Amino acid sequence: EAGVVQSPRYKIIEKKQPVAFWCNPISGHNTLYWYLQNLGQGPELLIRYENEEAVDDSQLPKDRFSAERLKGVDSTLKIQPAELGDSAVYLCASSPRGDGELFFGEGSRLTVL
Amino acid sequence: QKEVEQNSGPLSVPEGAIASLNCTYSDRVSQSFFWYRQYSGKSPELIMSIYSNGDKEDGRFTAQLNKASQYVSLLIRDSQPSDSATYLCAVLYSSASKIIFGSGTRLSIRP
Repeated sequence: EAGVVQSPRYKIIEKKQPVAFWCNPISGHNTLYWYLQNLGQGPELLIRYENEEAVDDSQLPKDRFSAERLKGVDSTLKIQPAELGDSAVYLCASSPRGDGELFFGEGSRLTVL
Repeated sequence: QKEVEQNSGPLSVPEGAIASLNCTYSDRVSQSFFWYRQYSGKSPELIMSIYSNGDKEDGRFTAQLNKASQYVSLLIRDSQPSDSATYLCAVLYSSASKIIFGSGTRLSIRP
């Protein structure tokens, strides 16, 4: 069974530039999460989807971050414009039941210069 | 008070010994608890889940839950160098259906 696939693995951009991350969850997993992880910290939830519906986006900085999950499968997370403080690893995870058993992708490491 | 608290470590344990990792949480109604392992530069990987008070064993790993004390722990028996990683405690906050992670404990197994 294929795992959660994320791309790109690494991205370096100048501040104020846009960036987008893509995630393909495990087949059949209806719940999809985007987390942000800073060095030495645990993952912090940005947004959670149940199928195509964003059921928890309370921690998503909506002035610059946006996300979508069209057709309830793949998801894209966008940052526009990026700021220096956005440098982090962006993790996508999926879950078959949305009950805490998460399967993470390899992450997308963003560096904003 | 943080929602999920862990000692950041590093915790250094000799090879073959028992490593004990601890976690406390603030939501009294939480019912689901998880331990994830994260190797340096890699993403978290689920290793244990526990839902009832008491112990749950899986190979060299034992998760312990005490809901009255709001305390979860992970014991690793016969520690191996390959167990060196950061261990993340995660709690499903029932009130918000939100999974909250602690900041992790860095474990180092010395040969």
